[in-house]
Amino acid sequence: NAGVTQTPKFQVLKTGQSMTLQCAQDMNHNSMYWYRQDPGMGLRLIYYSASEGTTDKGEVPNGYNVSRLNKREFSLRLESAAPSQTSVYFCASSDIGPIYEQYFGPGTRLTVT
Amino acid sequence: TQLLEQSPQFLSIQEGENLTVYCNSSSVFSSLQWYRQEPGEGPVLLVTVVTGGEVKKLKRLTFQFGDARKDSSLHITAAQPGDTGLYLCAVFAGNMLTFGGGTRLMVKP
Repeated sequence: NAGVTQTPKFQVLKTGQSMTLQCAQDMNHNSMYWYRQDPGMGLRLIYYSASEGTTDKGEVPNGYNVSRLNKREFSLRLESAAPSQTSVYFCASSDIGPIYEQYFGPGTRLTVT
Repeated sequence: TQLLEQSPQFLSIQEGENLTVYCNSSSVFSSLQWYRQEPGEGPVLLVTVVTGGEVKKLKRLTFQFGDARKDSSLHITAAQPGDTGLYLCAVFAGNMLTFGGGTRLMVKP
């Protein structure tokens, strides 16, 4: 039972390049989330998917797109990376909705030069 | 202005000392969660408090939700190096979980 897995763990991009961060959970959770974490700012929600087939914007969605591929997988895409997107990205999942316990992956450390 | 203000931002103490960290807001919440994040890992839920004035204990950690449900505190008794990490409070607001900026705790042996 791996919980929430994320790939890759580290990535360096040049400004303007694109990439997709992958996330998968094996807990049969309905809801999945993408956060970014910057020093002193806690975690900020980028996008979430309350259930398979739905996605909604969070607090900081600009510059990102998401796809809920199936119940297990939720990907985050940066179409044209910018230095302001240098951050640590976390995927999380929960049962039913956000007020329940969220289970986090180990994170992806992204640097955009 | 952040919805949740955590203080202090940083805390460095010796093993065996006691400490309290705070999570404050001007808004009222139906529940509040505390997470701990160790270096290189994602946050892990420690506790959820839902009733004003509620106190929950988790071994040496004591969590309290304010009577008015606007603030919370986390008290650690006899801190150990294993308590080192980032402590985050979070609330459900506007259909999403919103986190405070965190308190980074270092416990030195």
